[in-house]
Amino acid sequence: DTGVSQNPRHKITKRGQNVTFRCDPISEHNRLYWYRQTLGQGPEFLTYFQNEAQLEKSRLLSDRFSAERPKGSFSTLEIQRTEQGDSAMYLCASSGSLGTGGYEQYFGPGTRLTVT
Amino acid sequence: TQLLEQSPQFLSIQEGENLTVYCNSSSVFSSLQWYRQEPGEGPVLLVTVVTGGEVKKLKRLTFQFGDARKDSSLHITAAQPGDTGLYLCAGEAGNNRKLIWGLGTSLAVNP
Repeated sequence: DTGVSQNPRHKITKRGQNVTFRCDPISEHNRLYWYRQTLGQGPEFLTYFQNEAQLEKSRLLSDRFSAERPKGSFSTLEIQRTEQGDSAMYLCASSGSLGTGGYEQYFGPGTRLTVT
Repeated sequence: TQLLEQSPQFLSIQEGENLTVYCNSSSVFSSLQWYRQEPGEGPVLLVTVVTGGEVKKLKRLTFQFGDARKDSSLHITAAQPGDTGLYLCAGEAGNNRKLIWGLGTSLAVNP
């Protein structure tokens, strides 16, 4: 399977714990995006990388959130001192310069985080 | 702030009926993408429209981009229960090409 993969698919943690999610993009894609989605809402942009450079972070992203893409391939999203409000689906997408028109984004299956 | 307004938010119809979902904005987008999302899964790209006035067809789904590239519509002909799902539109904007999302249309097609 050459699509975007995310691990774990589900994570249940207690408030105050740290969690880390991993995203493996489509191999030839140089752009990687993280989004958060809550029930009944569209995805909300968190941050994005071009190769290993993190080029933009949402103002909504608190300092408890950090993302890395050390070698320009896979990426990790860490949430420190989790809060119940962090419960959501965390989506990763990748894109490149392939295809017609714009940089189409292809999504992974998401990581469902539940903070108890 | 760029916003995409998507309507209707919920739609429940009978099998065989036609429907249209709208996506509107006051902003111009370089492209607009339509996704479908199943519960517990990530969005799956259906189509990208780039040129103002462009029309694309995917079997019984017809996508149109407005002439001014500010709005788009998705029309489904003879809906089937398998069309049930959340349909999301997303506009691409800015140099980083991040997606601005609508809230989605939850479609239920009843047999």
